[in-house]
Amino acid sequence: GENVEQHPSTLSVQEGDSAVIKCTYSDSASNYFPWYKQELGKGPQLIIDIRSNVGEKKDQRIAVTLNKTAKHFSLHITETQPEDSAVYFCAASIGSNYQLIWGAGTKLIIKP
Amino acid sequence: DSGVTQTPKHLITATGQRVTLRCSPRSGDLSVYWYQQSLDQGLQFLIQYYNGEERAKGNILERFSAQQFPDLHSELNLSSLELGDSALYFCASSVAGIDTQYFGPGTRLTVL
Repeated sequence: GENVEQHPSTLSVQEGDSAVIKCTYSDSASNYFPWYKQELGKGPQLIIDIRSNVGEKKDQRIAVTLNKTAKHFSLHITETQPEDSAVYFCAASIGSNYQLIWGAGTKLIIKP
Repeated sequence: DSGVTQTPKHLITATGQRVTLRCSPRSGDLSVYWYQQSLDQGLQFLIQYYNGEERAKGNILERFSAQQFPDLHSELNLSSLELGDSALYFCASSVAGIDTQYFGPGTRLTVL
């Protein structure tokens, strides 16, 4: 069946450095790719998303890139700050009703 | 605050029991999704409703059922509870079921 692989499972970076999280999806019909941030004890919060007609999208320190040919997309966070510490999930849509298939999550640790 | 509300926040019960989790979507959203998140695990999609009708089903056990009412709130019923059902249960909503999902704060279920 369809799946989304997310790497790495844990990422530790120095404050101020960049962080990159990568996801690979299997369904070539997927056309919507959101990224969510989940802080401890809270629900996931959408931070950025991209649709298949766009290759890159930026929002301040956060960017997402999509390579449809290779079926992978990545989250880039620049100038990381302590408040970026959280678990990040990628997802890819399947089917016409935008059901999401989720990656397993990446725990991002920002070291002071 | 996403605008999605879930009650109760915490629920502690015993094996074999039945519980009901409640979700109110954002104002104007017609679609509701239910997810299960076990400790340090990813998000498992359970079921989606759109305007009162079941739209998609994921890995939902037969002991679990859900419905969406005319006022668009939704309930997830979990019966014959087992220790392994202990998890965070999230509800998400979207406008038309084909767009961004906004998550509630979750209900933490503990089965003793």
